[in-house]
Amino acid sequence: QKEVEQDPGPLSVPEGAIVSLNCTYSNSAFQYFMWYRQYSRKGPELLMYTYSSGNKEDGRFTAQVDKSSKYISLFIRDSQPSDSATYLCAMSSNDYKLSFGAGTTVTVRA
Amino acid sequence: KAGVTQTPRYLIKTRGQQVTLSCSPISGHRSVSWYQQTPGQGLQFLFEYFSETQRNKGNFPGRFSGRQFSNSRSEMNVSTLELGDSALYLCASSLITGGNTEAFFGQGTRLTVV
Repeated sequence: QKEVEQDPGPLSVPEGAIVSLNCTYSNSAFQYFMWYRQYSRKGPELLMYTYSSGNKEDGRFTAQVDKSSKYISLFIRDSQPSDSATYLCAMSSNDYKLSFGAGTTVTVRA
Repeated sequence: KAGVTQTPRYLIKTRGQQVTLSCSPISGHRSVSWYQQTPGQGLQFLFEYFSETQRNKGNFPGRFSGRQFSNSRSEMNVSTLELGDSALYLCASSLITGGNTEAFFGQGTRLTVV
């Protein structure tokens, strides 16, 4: 079993819809949680970073962490065609490395 | 502020050759990590350097090595290339402050082994 499991997708949603992305993890030592967006042939771009349970909001993006359930989510409100990309969850304990989910490819249809 | 810079962007090498990839971190960042990204395995951790010291290493064979220089720039080397080494190699830099591990990635070097 992988340390980090991410809903595989792909997801296709109409413009303006809410996109919901989810990851679960098995390593209780994970303390830091990140979401990255990766466009084709580009490097991952950091979207959200959090280290506590609860919600963190940044514009149209909300990251949710539930450490008791070992579950994290990313919500994208009012989705736009420019949000079409692969979304990666990543996690870390204090060992200087990130463990990634496999990624979810999202297409927002105009 | 300039981002993480990786060179070259693309490389084609022959099996058995060796290759060196370069990474310049964001100014002021002292931690540099390397990851391999493939369609089958996703993003996998290779190694992390801080102040020229390797602090962690992933499960890759000894053909994969790296180093960091005093200006925080880093290089990774792959010797005796195999077809399976074809991948996007990504470098990330971090400003380590009180356990903060936000990592910012470069555009990657796409290596093709033929």
